[in-house]
Amino acid sequence: GQQLNQSPQSMFIQEGEDVSMNCTSSSIFNTWLWYKQDPGEGPVLLIALYKAGELTSNGRLTAQFGITRKDSFLNISASIPSDVGIYFCAAAIQGAQKLVFGQGTRLTINP
Amino acid sequence: NAGVMQNPRHLVRRRGQEARLRCSPMKGHSHVYWYRQLPEEGLKFMVYLQKENIIDESGMPKERFSAEFPKEGPSILRIQQVVRGDSAAYFCASSQQGTLNYGYTFGSGTRLTVV
Repeated sequence: GQQLNQSPQSMFIQEGEDVSMNCTSSSIFNTWLWYKQDPGEGPVLLIALYKAGELTSNGRLTAQFGITRKDSFLNISASIPSDVGIYFCAAAIQGAQKLVFGQGTRLTINP
Repeated sequence: NAGVMQNPRHLVRRRGQEARLRCSPMKGHSHVYWYRQLPEEGLKFMVYLQKENIIDESGMPKERFSAEFPKEGPSILRIQQVVRGDSAAYFCASSQQGTLNYGYTFGSGTRLTVV
């Protein structure tokens, strides 16, 4: 079935550093989404991408929809303590209402 | 302007009991989705419902699991004769038109523990 491979699984960085994570798949998708999940909470949407090649920013976050439609990356610039959490990529094929999720990237920040 | 409301937040059941998880979508949303998250994993799609209709249940286990979204009231995910492997966080999401425009909004989840 469709699967997203998200990397890295975990990151330990210093406050102020930039962060980069990505998702790849052997399948083509028409929508890529990035979510953040805090402990004990549901995922919260950060960025949504709907076109191949699209580059979208949301504050310090930037995400791109890969030109092949099989990958996406998320960058966080100048990390701050509240960026700690688990980041998930998610994707859907055209016309589908269900999302396929990556395994998550756990971000830890040392002050 | 409440978001997606799920209850209970935590549910403990003994093996063999029934678990009923409830989800009230955002106001004006008529499409509901249920996902399951095992520890240290991403979310896995279970079922997509509109009012009184199951649209896609391709992710639901064939036995013991059922879902409904009645004309009135919340959506219910029901797990009969729970087993330890059912322990997970169950998330509900809702959308207005059944599209992925802007993704959809998740609730805070119900954490089911089977003892």
